[in-house]
Amino acid sequence: EDQVTQSPEALRLQEGESSSLNCSYTVSGLRGLFWYRQDPGKGPEFLFTLYSAGEEKEKERLKATLTKKESFLHITAPKPEDSATYLCAVQAEGQETSGSRLTFGEGTQLTVNP
Amino acid sequence: DTGVSQDPRHKITKRGQNVTFRCDPISEHNRLYWYRQTLGQGPEFLTYFQNEAQLEKSRLLSDRFSAERPKGSFSTLEIQRTEQGDSAMYLCASSRQRNQPQHFGDGTRLSIL
Repeated sequence: EDQVTQSPEALRLQEGESSSLNCSYTVSGLRGLFWYRQDPGKGPEFLFTLYSAGEEKEKERLKATLTKKESFLHITAPKPEDSATYLCAVQAEGQETSGSRLTFGEGTQLTVNP
Repeated sequence: DTGVSQDPRHKITKRGQNVTFRCDPISEHNRLYWYRQTLGQGPEFLTYFQNEAQLEKSRLLSDRFSAERPKGSFSTLEIQRTEQGDSAMYLCASSRQRNQPQHFGDGTRLSIL
């Protein structure tokens, strides 16, 4: 069974204080790893897709990296508006009838104080 | 893209009642997914459609739950004889291809009295 574990559960940073969020995964063949941001009362907002170990993606203050066992979301010089829950999800290889679902972790709740 | 639209945003009902939610995916996205999310947890997969065909169902989807996607456009999720444990956010997502990002709506929050 596919599993995703995110750490820490919650993280408080001061504005400008860089840090990283971790996503460890176990999957029977990785088709893709996805990062989402979720604000309270909203649906997850897509950030990045990573497909193979060694791949990196960047967007503004965020950078996602991928190894064979885990992914990191690096946040550089965060601002208060970066406060949200960050979700990691994996999609496993498989048949069309079984390889489309995303398996999510429980998320990391990030708070950036001004 | 106008985004994934879900209706209603909030639903309050009494235990034992039936409820139905609607999801309108991003146009030209032929894949549509339903997830359920409870407080402090990540979304959990419920079911998946490719066009009008329901191709995958989770074990979470008991026989009180039914989903349809007539004509491969919008989808409905119905819960019959609601129970307290059905209280959650029900999220819909759509994608163009299987390994492309799934884009989510803002969900329907269900509260069971």
